[in-house]
Amino acid sequence: GAVVSQHPSWVICKSGTSVKIECRSLDFQATTMFWYRQFPKQSLMLMATSNEGSKATYEQGVEKDKFLINHASLTLSTLTVTSAHPEDSSFYICSAHSGRRYEQYFGPGTRLTVT
Amino acid sequence: AQKVTQAQTEISVVEKEDVTLDCVYETRDTTYYLFWYKQPPSGELVFLIRRNSFDEQNEISGRYSWNFQKSTSSFNFTITASQVVDSAVYFCALTDDKIIFGKGTRLHILP
Repeated sequence: GAVVSQHPSWVICKSGTSVKIECRSLDFQATTMFWYRQFPKQSLMLMATSNEGSKATYEQGVEKDKFLINHASLTLSTLTVTSAHPEDSSFYICSAHSGRRYEQYFGPGTRLTVT
Repeated sequence: AQKVTQAQTEISVVEKEDVTLDCVYETRDTTYYLFWYKQPPSGELVFLIRRNSFDEQNEISGRYSWNFQKSTSSFNFTITASQVVDSAVYFCALTDDKIIFGKGTRLHILP
């Protein structure tokens, strides 16, 4: 099946700094990518939908100025957590599809810890 | 609005027992897709099954089986002869445009 990678797999950063997470589709062109956040023992919550070449659509309650999403190519989307705080510590997962909305492929996730 | 309900927060069974994970969904769409994912402690989601709204046939894959009933808006998942390696969090999900996840059921298989 299709493969989606994320980098880094885990990251620790200091409060106030920014951190960038990459999501790549390795063997297909992803017209749409999704970013999810998962807090411990909770479900995945959709943060935003990103389409190549256009601005991301954020879910209600997600601060677009804090979570910057860039989908510059058909194989790469990035999520930048700006001015990170300890409450941003979470597991961030991306997914991608190539046009068939029911065929989403998930990345392995990035565990962010803000100290 | 779309919604997925997994009423069982946590289940513990002894190895080799059968276990059923419940999933009830809500949608106004006539065309939709249902999914089950497994999330082991590593965190990576493992795709188990996708079923579209027009296909109500039950499916069996090894020890796993799924029962889709549109009349009750349910898509239940049964593991037969459970094994310790089945211990994980299982998510039921629904999509028409974006995937909506249930809250998950944490399954403990005790040796």
